Amino acid sequence: GIQVEQSPPDLILQEGANSTLRCNFSDSVNNLQWFHQNPWGQLINLFYIPSGTKQNGRLSATTVATERYSLLYISSSQTTDSGVYFCAVLHGSSNTGKLIFGQGTTLQVKP
Amino acid sequence: EPEVTQTPSHQVTQMGQEVILRCVPISNHLYFYWYRQILGQKVEFLVSFYNNEISEKSEIFDDQFSVERPDGSNFTLKIRSTKLEDSAMYFCASSVEDRVTEAFFGQGTRLTVV
Repeated sequence: GIQVEQSPPDLILQEGANSTLRCNFSDSVNNLQWFHQNPWGQLINLFYIPSGTKQNGRLSATTVATERYSLLYISSSQTTDSGVYFCAVLHGSSNTGKLIFGQGTTLQVKP
Repeated sequence: EPEVTQTPSHQVTQMGQEVILRCVPISNHLYFYWYRQILGQKVEFLVSFYNNEISEKSEIFDDQFSVERPDGSNFTLKIRSTKLEDSAMYFCASSVEDRVTEAFFGQGTRLTVV
């Protein structure tokens, strides 16, 4: 099956710093999503981005499907950005909607 | 904004008991899913459901698990005889279609088996 690897596994930032999170995947995908899991465990949709670039406020994401990676940029980080960031992909051969998640990047933003 | 709703948010149950986790998917969505996340681990796929049938299930989804869409709005996950290792966060999700489409997740049900 498709492999999804996220890096770095852990990241500690000072408030106001910028960061880049990476998601590599081993095969073609039809769908790629980024999620933020907040301290209460909720999965918040950040981006649906099978290809191209999107921006939403301080966050932006880029997926280069042909090179099998996606990047999540966080600018001017805030303490509320803390939590775990997951990418999840839908394999190109899937016809059941099954998403495969990476192991996540745990971000801690210090005041 | 439409959202996926899960109840209860927390459930504590005794080992061996049956539990039913409930979900209300987004109304115009046709594909429904359950995922599980054991504490500190990644989110794992359990099952996908379309047209009143399971379309795919993982190895985790053994005979103790079942899903049902009992009416036009609810989607349930039943765990027949809970084990300690079933303790996890369970997420319901839904999407309009099964391929190039965004999946939306509920807020999760934290199940604790004691």
